Amino acid sequence: GQNIDQPTEMTATEGAIVQINCTYQTSGFNGLFWYQQHAGEAPTFLSYNVLDGLEEKGRFSSFLSRSKGYSYLLLKELQMKDSASYLCAVVDSNYQLIWGAGTKLIIKP
Amino acid sequence: GAVVSQHPSWVICKSGTSVKIECRSLDFQATTMFWYRQFPKQSLMLMATSNEGSKATYEQGVEKDKFLINHASLTLSTLTVTSAHPEDSSFYICSAQGGQSFESNTEAFFGQGTRLTVV
Repeated sequence: GQNIDQPTEMTATEGAIVQINCTYQTSGFNGLFWYQQHAGEAPTFLSYNVLDGLEEKGRFSSFLSRSKGYSYLLLKELQMKDSASYLCAVVDSNYQLIWGAGTKLIIKP
Repeated sequence: GAVVSQHPSWVICKSGTSVKIECRSLDFQATTMFWYRQFPKQSLMLMATSNEGSKATYEQGVEKDKFLINHASLTLSTLTVTSAHPEDSSFYICSAQGGQSFESNTEAFFGQGTRLTVV
């Protein structure tokens, strides 16, 4: 079957750095998305990786290793507003989005 | 980025009634629209995929007669929850895509979501 694994919850301190990991086993791979979702709101797009390596976009970076079935989202200079759920989603061989359960990130002052 | 408008943002309805949720792509033509449901503290679950002008493809376990999807134009898709029951209370989200697949780094643009409460 298809599976996306992320930690359920993480806690970090304002101003610090946090890395949210995502491992996947899917039927084929056509890219990986990271989305941010605040409670009661729709997800918002953060990043898309289809090739191995690190993609940097401001305070957020996303890394992909296709051979390891692994990605991480790196958040720097954490702000209180970064408290949210972070969803990893993989595009499989049928171009369907397979969603992880999300990681709830709690930022403490 | 592109804008997808979903309406209403929240709705409360009585058990047994029907509710229609609209999803519009405001500045691009959405050949494919996806409807998701999300229960509290759970991931997004794909309900169905609809392509303009054709019948929606429903995921296993989703009743097509209960969740009616219409994608009549390239800018509008609707989800109608028929004979709603309290267990249908959930957060419903649509997303729209301009291409037929995720090639060319096509991202999915999400609507704001609709919080449905059936009493």
